[in-house]
Amino acid sequence: KAGVTQTPRYLIKTRGQQVTLSCSPISGHRSVSWYQQTPGQGLQFLFEYFSETQRNKGNFPGRFSGRQFSNSRSEMNVSTLELGDSALYLCASIPTIGSLGYTFGSGTRLTVV
Amino acid sequence: ELKVEQNPLFLSMQEGKNYTIYCNYSTTSDRLYWYRQDPGKSLESLFVLLSNGAVKQEGRLMASLDTKARLSTLHITAAVHDLSATYFCAVGLSGGGADGLTFGKGTHLIIQP
Repeated sequence: KAGVTQTPRYLIKTRGQQVTLSCSPISGHRSVSWYQQTPGQGLQFLFEYFSETQRNKGNFPGRFSGRQFSNSRSEMNVSTLELGDSALYLCASIPTIGSLGYTFGSGTRLTVV
Repeated sequence: ELKVEQNPLFLSMQEGKNYTIYCNYSTTSDRLYWYRQDPGKSLESLFVLLSNGAVKQEGRLMASLDTKARLSTLHITAAVHDLSATYFCAVGLSGGGADGLTFGKGTHLIIQP
């Protein structure tokens, strides 16, 4: 059974650019949530998707957005990158909304220069 | 707003010793998670605790939950070097749904041979 696949693993971007990260959940899982991990703020919830709909969003500016496709794959986008957006972005695969099991991917390490 | 506090944030201990990590949370919750993270890696699920008095054990790690005190503990018995990692507790709001998880700051554990 394949795990959670996040691509790319590493990314370097320049301030002001935009970036798109991808997450493919475990086969059969229908919900995906995203987290940002930084040394200063720790792990913070970004948003959660179920059935192509954003169900909830954390306290992040509108530059952070996402979407989920019919095959449950999810993308998150960050526009107008700032240095503070440098972080490890983790995606969690969840069987369905309200399920207990969160399986995290290996993450995408984004560096903004 | 749900707040999760872990302590200690940093712990250096010798092999063979016992120690406990504490996780306090501020709002009623029906699920508490413990994760392990190795440097540069993703989150590995250790335990999910659902009910008051729940206790789960895996090897040298044992987790417990007191929902009345809003406290969970992760106890390490006869520590070995391989347990060196950062340990996070995370709490989900009651009722499930898509609220995401709120994480503690993590406990950076170093076990010295």
